[in-house]
Amino acid sequence: GEDVEQSLFLSVREGDSSVINCTYTDSSSTYLYWYKQEPGAGLQLLTYIFSNMDMKQDQRLTVLLNKKDKHLSLRIADTQTGDSAIYFCAESKTASKLTFGTGTRLQVTL
Amino acid sequence: DARVTQTPRHKVTEMGQEVTMRCQPILGHNTVFWYRQTMMQGLELLAYFRNRAPLDDSGMPKDRFSAEMPDATLATLKIQPSEPRDSAVYFCASAPGGGVGKLFFGSGTQLSVL
Repeated sequence: GEDVEQSLFLSVREGDSSVINCTYTDSSSTYLYWYKQEPGAGLQLLTYIFSNMDMKQDQRLTVLLNKKDKHLSLRIADTQTGDSAIYFCAESKTASKLTFGTGTRLQVTL
Repeated sequence: DARVTQTPRHKVTEMGQEVTMRCQPILGHNTVFWYRQTMMQGLELLAYFRNRAPLDDSGMPKDRFSAEMPDATLATLKIQPSEPRDSAVYFCASAPGGGVGKLFFGSGTQLSVL
C-alpha cells in the first residue's frame, strides 16, 4: 500500500530558510500536497504539485519533486515565527483519497 | 467564511459508553472524510463519502465504529462501545467534486475515553 514518510522535527532560526522533506512509495501518485496544521486546528492546504511537474513556487513556498527518487520537499523562505506548525506531506492517485505522512513539526526560534 | 463545523470540540467519556461525533460539511461539497489523529499512528483515514454514499470505510473498525450521512448537511461518526484506545482527535473534512484534493478540515473532536 501507499506509505509516506517524513522526519519528525525541524528547528530553524527566524529569517532562515526551512526545508521539509518527504518520501513516498507509490510511483503512480498523481497529486502531491503539503498541508499545515496549527495548534488546536485542522489541516489547511498550503500547496500541491502534479506528478508531471518538477517545481512549483508560490510566494515564500517552493515545492520540489524528484519523481525518480519519490522525494518531495517544501522550502519556506524567510521563515517567520508564524510558520511554526506541523507540516504534512500527502499523496493521491485520484485527488480524492489522500494518504498523509506522519507530519514534521517545525519550530522557529528567535 | 465557509467552514466545516464539528461538534463537540471535546468529549470525555467512560469506557463502554456510546460516542457520537457530528460534522457539517461546507455547503456544496459532495465528498466528506473522517480522519483520526494520534501521536503513534498519525492521520488515518477512517471513511469517506461521495454524494452521501460510503465509498471506502476500510480504515474503520467495523465492530464498534459506524459512519453515516443522513443528509447532505450532516455526517456522523459513532463509536459503540468506546474503548480507551479510541482516544484521539477525530477530524471531518469536506471537498468539492472535481477538485485537486483540496480538503477543508474542521477543528476536530478531541475524544478521551477513560
